[in-house]
Amino acid sequence: NAGVTQTPKFRILKIGQSMTLQCTQDMNHNYMYWYRQDPGMGLKLIYYSVGAGITDKGEVPNGYNVSRSTTEDFPLRLELAAPSQTSVYFCASSRLAGGVFDEQFFGPGTRLTVL
Amino acid sequence: KNEVEQSPQNLTAQEGEFITINCSYSVGISALHWLQQHPGGGIVSLFMLSSGKKKHGRLIATINIQEKHSSLHITASHPRDSAVYICTRPPPAQGGSEKLVFGKGTKLTVNP
Repeated sequence: NAGVTQTPKFRILKIGQSMTLQCTQDMNHNYMYWYRQDPGMGLKLIYYSVGAGITDKGEVPNGYNVSRSTTEDFPLRLELAAPSQTSVYFCASSRLAGGVFDEQFFGPGTRLTVL
Repeated sequence: KNEVEQSPQNLTAQEGEFITINCSYSVGISALHWLQQHPGGGIVSLFMLSSGKKKHGRLIATINIQEKHSSLHITASHPRDSAVYICTRPPPAQGGSEKLVFGKGTKLTVNP
């Protein structure tokens, strides 16, 4: 298993540009998450999904959109990039089995800079 | 106030020392998750526990659900243990209104 993969690893955007951060997991996990981590700070939840076709907002959803058309993929869309979105973005997945959450598996992260 | 509080924020130790990192939470939870973030940025899951104690190599995690407290211990610490250790309550179920899901982390530095 490759686990959780993210692309790209690095990206520089100009203000107002848009892009999609890709996330794929091959563990058949029902739950997937997007987090951002600003320099020197902790992780903050942007969006999450409990299964294909179902998404919900986390703590900091403004400026982002997500979709979950398949179990494997959970792309994160930035429509109008702003300098405040400069951060490292982590995708993660986990499963709910028997009413109990299993551990989260994290992707390697995407380092995004908006200039 | 964060729902998940960690202490200490920073910890420096000498190689071989016994390390304890604490995590307290203010809301009832069924389980707690410990993560390790390496200096390069990668995040690794260490433990998910809902009761008692779990051990993996030199790492031991304990939790007391009633007291809303968990600890992560590292025995015979080594410089390669230098990382940020993060505790978090499990991800939200759909429709949850949780704000801060993660503790702010404890930065551990182990000197040779």
